[in-house]
Amino acid sequence: DGGITQSPKYLFRKEGQNVTLSCEQNLNHDAMYWYRQDPGQGLRLIYYSQIVNDFQKGDIAEGYSVSREKKESFPLTVTSAQKNPTAFYLCASKGAPYEKLFFGSGTQLSVL
Amino acid sequence: KQEVTQIPAALSVPEGENLVLNCSFTDSAIYNLQWFRQDPGKGLTSLLLIQSSQREQTSGRLNASLDKSSGRSTLYIAASQPGDSATYLCAVRFSSGTGANNLFFGTGTRLTVIP
Repeated sequence: DGGITQSPKYLFRKEGQNVTLSCEQNLNHDAMYWYRQDPGQGLRLIYYSQIVNDFQKGDIAEGYSVSREKKESFPLTVTSAQKNPTAFYLCASKGAPYEKLFFGSGTQLSVL
Repeated sequence: KQEVTQIPAALSVPEGENLVLNCSFTDSAIYNLQWFRQDPGKGLTSLLLIQSSQREQTSGRLNASLDKSSGRSTLYIAASQPGDSATYLCAVRFSSGTGANNLFFGTGTRLTVIP
C-alpha cells in the first residue's frame, strides 16, 4: 500500500538528549513536511523540503533539525535546545503543487 | 495577517442529523482549501480538496463548499453516524507566500455523534 510511515508511535526523551523521528513515504512525492500539534492549537510548520538535498525552515524551526538525503525519507531530530518538545508530531507529503496533502499517523513525543 | 478559524470548537448531534461545519479565512486570495478528519491520537485523513476555481466538492455523504468572496467554507455531513465522531480540520493555501509557508490550518471542530 502507498502511504507515509512514521515511527515510532510513542517516544520518550530524557533531558539533554537528542531524539530522531522517522518519516518514510512511498508515494513518489517530492515535497515533505513536519508539523507540530499541541492540544487546542492548529498545526504549526517546523521544516519542509520540496526536493532532495534541500529544506527550509518553517515557523517554529528552533530546536529542530532535518535532513533530506533520499526522496523517500525526511527524518526530524528534536535537539536538546528544544525546551518544550512534548507534542504530537506529524509528517506529510505532497506531489504536484496543488494536490492533496497526505499525512502519516504521527509520533507522540514526551519528556521523562 | 492570514488566519483560518473554525467555530464551534466542539459540536454534539444525535445520530441521523444533517450537520454543517464552518471554516473561515481572512484573505480571499487562495489556491485551494482542504478538509481533514483526525481521530484521537492519529494522523490527518484527507476528505476533500477544493481548488479556488471550484464552488464545491462531494464525496459520499460529505459535501464541501467554498465562497472565496466571503472567506468561508462549509463541510456538510448528511445523515450523521457515530463513526463520524472525530475532529475536522480545514487548511487553506493562500496565494501569497511560497513553499509551505502559505498553508494555514484551523484548530478544528470536535464532532460527537450520539447514538
